[in-house]
Amino acid sequence: NAGVTQTPKFQVLKTGQSMTLQCAQDMNHEYMSWYRQDPGMGLRLIHYSVGAGITDQGEVPNGYNVSRSTTEDFPLRLLSAAPSQTSVYFCASKFEETQYFGPGTRLLVL
Amino acid sequence: AQSVTQLGSHVSVSEGALVLLRCNYSSSVPPYLFWYVQYPNQGLQLLLKYTTGATLVKGINGFEAEFKKSETSFHLTKPSAHMSDAAEYFCAVDWGTSYGKLTFGQGTILTVHP
Repeated sequence: NAGVTQTPKFQVLKTGQSMTLQCAQDMNHEYMSWYRQDPGMGLRLIHYSVGAGITDQGEVPNGYNVSRSTTEDFPLRLLSAAPSQTSVYFCASKFEETQYFGPGTRLLVL
Repeated sequence: AQSVTQLGSHVSVSEGALVLLRCNYSSSVPPYLFWYVQYPNQGLQLLLKYTTGATLVKGINGFEAEFKKSETSFHLTKPSAHMSDAAEYFCAVDWGTSYGKLTFGQGTILTVHP
């Protein structure tokens, strides 16, 4: 199993640009989520999904969009990037009570 | 509001010394508790977890943590630090909600001196 994979590893955007962060898992986990990590704040939940076709907002959803067309994939879309979205983004999938994290995407918005 | 607090954003120890990283959570209801480790420029790796049963939990790399309900704490320890333990450590709590959100502490950076 590759586990949870994320692409790209690093991205630089200009303010106002849009992009999609990719996340995939090969463990057939129903639950997937996106977190952002900022210094001194731990990780905060952006969006989550409990299965294909079902998504919902976490605690910091503004400026982000998600969809879940398959069990494997859970992309995160930035609609119009802002400097405040400069962060490290982690995707996770969950089995029973444990969440497994991907390697992260570092995003810099200029 | 439910919260997780890690006491000390930076902890420095000598190689071979005891490692103690503190974590307290706000609710008295026994939740699921986790410790994750993050090495530089890497993702989060699960160190150990408490779900039910024995309150002393052993994890990878010689780490262990004890769930103390009366103190709402889940401190992480390792008897003898190794240089390779230098990383950032996160305590996290799953409150058992239907949406499975993890609430993270702010993180503690562990530095190990030779």
